[in-house]
Amino acid sequence: SQQGEEDPQALSIQEGENATMNCSYKTSINNLQWYRQNSGRGLVHLILIRSNEREKHSGRLRVTLDTSKKSSSLLITASRAADTASYFCATDHPLKVFGAGTTVTVRA
Amino acid sequence: DTAVSQTPKYLVTQMGNDKSIKCEQNLGHDTMYWYKQDSKKFLKIMFSYNNKELIINETVPNRFSPKSPDKAHLNLHINSLELGDSAVYFCASSPSGLYTEAFFGQGTRLTVV
Repeated sequence: SQQGEEDPQALSIQEGENATMNCSYKTSINNLQWYRQNSGRGLVHLILIRSNEREKHSGRLRVTLDTSKKSSSLLITASRAADTASYFCATDHPLKVFGAGTTVTVRA
Repeated sequence: DTAVSQTPKYLVTQMGNDKSIKCEQNLGHDTMYWYKQDSKKFLKIMFSYNNKELIINETVPNRFSPKSPDKAHLNLHINSLELGDSAVYFCASSPSGLYTEAFFGQGTRLTVV
């Protein structure tokens, strides 16, 4: 059965705007990770947040984690055309990836 | 040097055939995975191996058989291919430990005709 999902399924924004996407999961976790997938490529790790952390930053990325609601959000600030990709969340080791991701399109 | 490499990148074959996809990682990781991504981009784990031992087998048909000859390789053999097997298959690896990231291969696009 599916362990979680990303929301929204698709997002279209103007270059320079922020993009926010969410991930919900069903079981308790040790960590949650976000990955990016460019068209026709494999997933690339972006950021990992541990279950005892509430927020984490990496460059233009900000991740939050609410274990009481079993949800996480990924914020990309000042988006660029190169941010156009699908974004997936995943948990734990061994790694389980959720859903179909959020497809982000950044318009020039 | 490619960290996780899969071959072939594309595979077109007829229904009923048997095919293999190879995966190798040069990162020294203990854990390797196979994922299937369908046409709607849904990414599902199929198998996971840790030090050549199967640790996850997610309700995958018996026609799919992973083989790990050593820690650096995890191959996927598929018997009697069906149309529904058409998908992109990704291999990945990660170190052991709770707080580790995974590294993915470029994927193998399998088309069954």
